Amino acid sequence: AQTVTQSQPEMSVQEAETVTLSCTYDTSESDYYLFWYKQPPSRQMILVIRQEAYKQQNATENRFSVNFQKAAKSFSLKISDSQLGDAAMYFCAYSWGKLQFGAGTQVVVTP
Amino acid sequence: GAGVSQSPSNKVTEKGKDVELRCDPISGHTALYWYRQSLGQGLEFLIYFQGNSAPDKSGLPSDRFSAERTGGSVSTLTIQRTQQEDSAVYLCASSPDKDYGYTFGSGTRLTVV
Repeated sequence: AQTVTQSQPEMSVQEAETVTLSCTYDTSESDYYLFWYKQPPSRQMILVIRQEAYKQQNATENRFSVNFQKAAKSFSLKISDSQLGDAAMYFCAYSWGKLQFGAGTQVVVTP
Repeated sequence: GAGVSQSPSNKVTEKGKDVELRCDPISGHTALYWYRQSLGQGLEFLIYFQGNSAPDKSGLPSDRFSAERTGGSVSTLTIQRTQQEDSAVYLCASSPDKDYGYTFGSGTRLTVV
């Protein structure tokens, strides 16, 4: 069975600084997809970034980038130049037919 | 539509009653998923539809839960004889195909009293 682990229940970052959220997963598959989703208090799940496992290059979306280490089964998210609007719960997810989510990391942004 | 629409947004029901939750996916999305999110918890997979068929319903917690999808579009999640532990936010997501990237609705918050 596949599992997704987010070991940081909460991370705090100051505005304009950088924060990195960790995620590890377990799978026996070689071709799969990884995602980071953001869930603000509105409870709307918002796709932040998507990574295809067969691609070596790390995905980036504006201030969001990932460090994908396939051999280590690690998929961390870096938020650069943090903004107050980045405050939310962030979920790492693995997909091979269906999305499986980690427990989430609450990101707190302080002025 | 422009996004995934779920109704109702909130539902309060008495223990033992049946409830129906509706999901209207993005037009043309063949894959549809239901998840449950309990207070302060991550998302728990319930069921996956590809078209009108459900190749994976392994996450349905009991036989009180059922779901259907008609016309490759709207899906209904039905919970019979609701229990207090069914209280949660039920999220629906759709995708052009599995693994592509899911668009979520805003969810239905179900409270069983």
